[in-house]
Amino acid sequence: QKEVEQNSGPLSVPEGAIASLNCTYSDRGSQSFFWYRQYSGKSPELIMSIYSNGDKEDGRFTAQLNKASQYVSLLIRDSQPSDSATYLCYRGGNQFYFGTGTSLTVIP
Amino acid sequence: GAVVSQHPSRVICKSGTSVKIECRSLDFQATTMFWYRQFPKQSLMLMATSNEGSKATYEQGVEKDKFLINHASLTLSTLTVTSAHPEDSSFYICSANSGGLAGEQYFGPGTRLTVT
Repeated sequence: QKEVEQNSGPLSVPEGAIASLNCTYSDRGSQSFFWYRQYSGKSPELIMSIYSNGDKEDGRFTAQLNKASQYVSLLIRDSQPSDSATYLCYRGGNQFYFGTGTSLTVIP
Repeated sequence: GAVVSQHPSRVICKSGTSVKIECRSLDFQATTMFWYRQFPKQSLMLMATSNEGSKATYEQGVEKDKFLINHASLTLSTLTVTSAHPEDSSFYICSANSGGLAGEQYFGPGTRLTVT
């Protein structure tokens, strides 16, 4: 079983809609999670981190962590075409705990 | 946030030559660095984990004699692609882990290698 699994997509949403990206993890002891965004031809950039159960909001982005169910999600409200990218879920630690990424396309 | 640089950003070389790519953590000490390769429209693929002062750990299927990794200091790791061939043309990215409790990764901007 992979440490981190993401719904592979691709995911398409119309502009202005909410995009929901999900990730599950296998290690119950995991403490920190990160969402990265990768535009085509660029390296990933960190957009959100979450350490505690519940929601964390930053502008149009909300990260949700549920340790009991072992999932973490990223919601993007009022999606914009500029949000079109691949989103990577990462379980913090000293090893490679990345999901394979979910490709999101926001249709104008 | 922390900054990781990579050099060069783009390189074109002839088949059979070697290319060295540098990855530097500019404002923190990186006990661990990771090297990735990404082909167009594909996922990020981990090539190796580089630990300062010890040998790199390579992922299955990655030739350690072809992709030489040296992590000589807490701020510098290098990847050398030896005897490069056109199939080695790819986007090479490094990331660094500061070793803190959160364990977030900071990515370099990537190096686009084209082997002619």
